[in-house]
Amino acid sequence: GQNIDQPTEMTATEGAIVQINCTYQTSGFNGLFWYQQHAGEAPTFLSYNVLDGLEEKGRFSSFLSRSKGYSYLLLKELQMKDSASYLCAVLDSNYQLIWGAGTKLIIKP
Amino acid sequence: IAGITQAPTSQILAAGRRMTLRCTQDMRHNAMYWYRQDLGLGLRLIHYSNTAGTTGKGEVPDGYSVSRANTDDFPLTLASAVPSQTSVYFCASSDGQHNSPLHFGNGTRLTVT
Repeated sequence: GQNIDQPTEMTATEGAIVQINCTYQTSGFNGLFWYQQHAGEAPTFLSYNVLDGLEEKGRFSSFLSRSKGYSYLLLKELQMKDSASYLCAVLDSNYQLIWGAGTKLIIKP
Repeated sequence: IAGITQAPTSQILAAGRRMTLRCTQDMRHNAMYWYRQDLGLGLRLIHYSNTAGTTGKGEVPDGYSVSRANTDDFPLTLASAVPSQTSVYFCASSDGQHNSPLHFGNGTRLTVT
């Protein structure tokens, strides 16, 4: 079966750095997405990785290792507004999106 | 403002009733999707449409139907609602390229009693 694993919940301090991991076992791989979802709101796109390595976009970076079936989202200089759920999703060999259950990130002052 | 509009925002529905969730986009996107989101689970695809006039079944299509008469609208119908259909429903669209992100509506919170 296809599976995406993310931690259910993480807590971090304002101003700090946090890394949210995502591991996947899918039938094929055609890219990995990260989305942010604030409580009661729609998911919004953060990043897309299809090649190994780190993609940096402001305070947010996303890393991919296809050989390890592993990605992480790195959030720097955490702000209270970063409190949200972060969803990992993988495009499988049929270009179907497989979604993780999301990681709820709690930021404390 | 360009985007996706869903209606209603929330609804309480008696079991056995018929309900249509509305979704309209003004981005001229070819592809549209309906997902449900339940606590502790990833988003699950109900139905999708790659272009106007075509639809396809997703991971959890039973009890739901869709139509795509034009580019902008993609309604989701529950023919006879059951309590297990209590969920938050998100409509999404994309330009259809595999590496393109999805744009989501704000969701419809549906409770079936």
